[in-house]
Amino acid sequence: AQKVTQTQTSISVMEKTTVTMDCVYETQDSSYFLFWYKQTASGEIVFLIRQDSYKKENATVGHYSLNFQKPKSSIGLIITATQIEDSAVYFCAMREGDNYAQGLTFGLGTRVSVFP
Amino acid sequence: GPKVLQIPSHQIIDMGQMVTLNCDPVSNHLYFYWYKQILGQQMEFLVNFYNGKVMEKSKLFKDQFSVERPDGSYFTLKIQPTALEDSAVYFCASSPGLVSQNTLYFGAGTRLSVL
Repeated sequence: AQKVTQTQTSISVMEKTTVTMDCVYETQDSSYFLFWYKQTASGEIVFLIRQDSYKKENATVGHYSLNFQKPKSSIGLIITATQIEDSAVYFCAMREGDNYAQGLTFGLGTRVSVFP
Repeated sequence: GPKVLQIPSHQIIDMGQMVTLNCDPVSNHLYFYWYKQILGQQMEFLVNFYNGKVMEKSKLFKDQFSVERPDGSYFTLKIQPTALEDSAVYFCASSPGLVSQNTLYFGAGTRLSVL
């Protein structure tokens, strides 16, 4: 069974600094996909970035990057040069294998507050 | 990014009534999903749908729940009858269904309040 754990409940940072969020996952599959989403204050859920398990290189999109440590089953999210609008709840999620239909398993989320 | 639309944004109904939540998925996506989020908690998978059929459902997908997408129109979640514990935000999502493009894109959610 798959499981996603985010141990940090909330993080506060100053604007223009870097924030790092942790996520560890459990899976029996050798092939899996990892995602990060953010949920804004309005409730909207926005896809940010993904990492496919077979790729060794850490994914990077804009000011989001991942720290993928496969031996530790860890997929951390790094946001550089944070902005006030990065304040949100960040969810880590996973899908196992090649089953296109399978839904994502989400972590509990980490609330990030960015202060000026 | 791709947009999934959900209608309505908020629905208030009395316990025991029927409710239908509507989702307009991304036009070329093949897989559709419903997730449930109780306030302050993580999103939990309810069901996925492909080619006119339910592919997979979780234990949260009670017998009172049903989904359909008649003739490529809205992808709907129907709850009949509703119960107090059905109060939550329901998110619709869709994905292209290809291994290389299996990212889910979510709508803004429908907040369901059962009184």
